[in-house]
Amino acid sequence: GENVEQHPSTLSVQEGDSAVIKCTYSDSASNYFPWYKQELGKRPQLIIDIRSNVGEKKDQRIAVTLNKTAKHFSLHITETQPEDSAVYFCAASSGGSNYKLTFGKGTLLTVNP
Amino acid sequence: SQTIHQWPATLVQPVGSPLSLECTVEGTSNPNLYWYRQAAGRGLQLLFYSVGIGQISSEVPQNLSASRPQDRQFILSSKKLLLSDSGFYLCAWRQTGNYGYTFGSGTRLTVV
Repeated sequence: GENVEQHPSTLSVQEGDSAVIKCTYSDSASNYFPWYKQELGKRPQLIIDIRSNVGEKKDQRIAVTLNKTAKHFSLHITETQPEDSAVYFCAASSGGSNYKLTFGKGTLLTVNP
Repeated sequence: SQTIHQWPATLVQPVGSPLSLECTVEGTSNPNLYWYRQAAGRGLQLLFYSVGIGQISSEVPQNLSASRPQDRQFILSSKKLLLSDSGFYLCAWRQTGNYGYTFGSGTRLTVV
């Protein structure tokens, strides 16, 4: 089955700096790659996703890049703010009609004022 | 619009007691439904998923079971809880043909 590795496990940045979180996946058939943000004690919420037919997608301060050849994708957050502090999860689809998401282990991002 | 409801929000149960967590989705039909557990280490572990009434797939052998008695209802159960069953349980759904998951608000279970 699919295996998703996520790095780093913790990331601390100063407000205004950029943050980058990287993930690799194992199943070359995976074609959907979402990113979720989870604040303490709350549900994960989808913040951005990318499908395998594009290499980059941007939404204001966040962007995701995908390298299908290398089987890795990354989340980029620019001009970080304290409210960006949360755990971020990457995920990849295993494909097929049942469609399951396999998640990375998460990155705890702390943005220091 | 579609909404997902999960309850209870928190639960403290003694070891050996039964468990029933319920998840319902409104505003859609024939959703794919999922149960995840999030232990202290932050990772999201898929426990069960269902593509239709009465259809349950188990991802990991464990002390839990799932059932889908109605199209938009997904239940997570245990006959006898273990200490290791403690965690944050999340229900999620997606519409067939779409890609994104939507998570419920979660149940924090503490087994004592």
